[in-house]
Amino acid sequence: EDQVTQSPEALRLQEGESSSLNCSYTVSGLRGLFWYRQDPGKGPEFLFTLYSAGEEKEKERLKATLTKKESFLHITAPKPEDSATYLCAVQAPQGGSEKLVFGKGTKLTVNP
Amino acid sequence: DGGITQSPKYLFRKEGQNVTLSCEQNLNHDAMYWYRQDPGQGLRLIYYSQIVNDFQKGDIAEGYSVSREKKESFPLTVTSAQKNPTAFYLCASRRNQNQPQHFGDGTRLSIL
Repeated sequence: EDQVTQSPEALRLQEGESSSLNCSYTVSGLRGLFWYRQDPGKGPEFLFTLYSAGEEKEKERLKATLTKKESFLHITAPKPEDSATYLCAVQAPQGGSEKLVFGKGTKLTVNP
Repeated sequence: DGGITQSPKYLFRKEGQNVTLSCEQNLNHDAMYWYRQDPGQGLRLIYYSQIVNDFQKGDIAEGYSVSREKKESFPLTVTSAQKNPTAFYLCASRRNQNQPQHFGDGTRLSIL
């Protein structure tokens, strides 16, 4: 069974304190790994897609990396507005279609 | 602006009542999806549709029904058979299997 595990469940940082979120996965035939940001009461907002081990993507203070078993979302010098829940999802073929399997998310709080 | 519109934002259901959640997209995306989000759990797939007039059950389809009569619309009905309907419901769409899914801002369903 395809599984996605995100850690930690919650993370508190001081403004400017860099850290990383982890997404480990077990799937057969990874077709893509996606990172989303979700604010309270809102739908997930797409951040990155990673397709193969060694790939990296960057956007402002965020950088996503991918290995064969996990992905990291690195947050450099975070600001309070980076506070949100970050979701990881993997895409793998299931029964002739491509489905997303989501992790439970990491709730990030950045204190000023 | 192009996007995905879910309505209503909040919905209340009485015992024995069916309710319908609306999802409309003007992104010209072929595929559309319905997810359920509960506290402490990852998004779970209810139904998806890859083309008009066709849809498939996801992982938790029992107690739900959908239709896809138009490319831009994918309504979800929560029937009285769904005994635990209280949740945050998210609709998503994507152009094809190589693109990320994009989400609406959700409908929160509660029981009266």
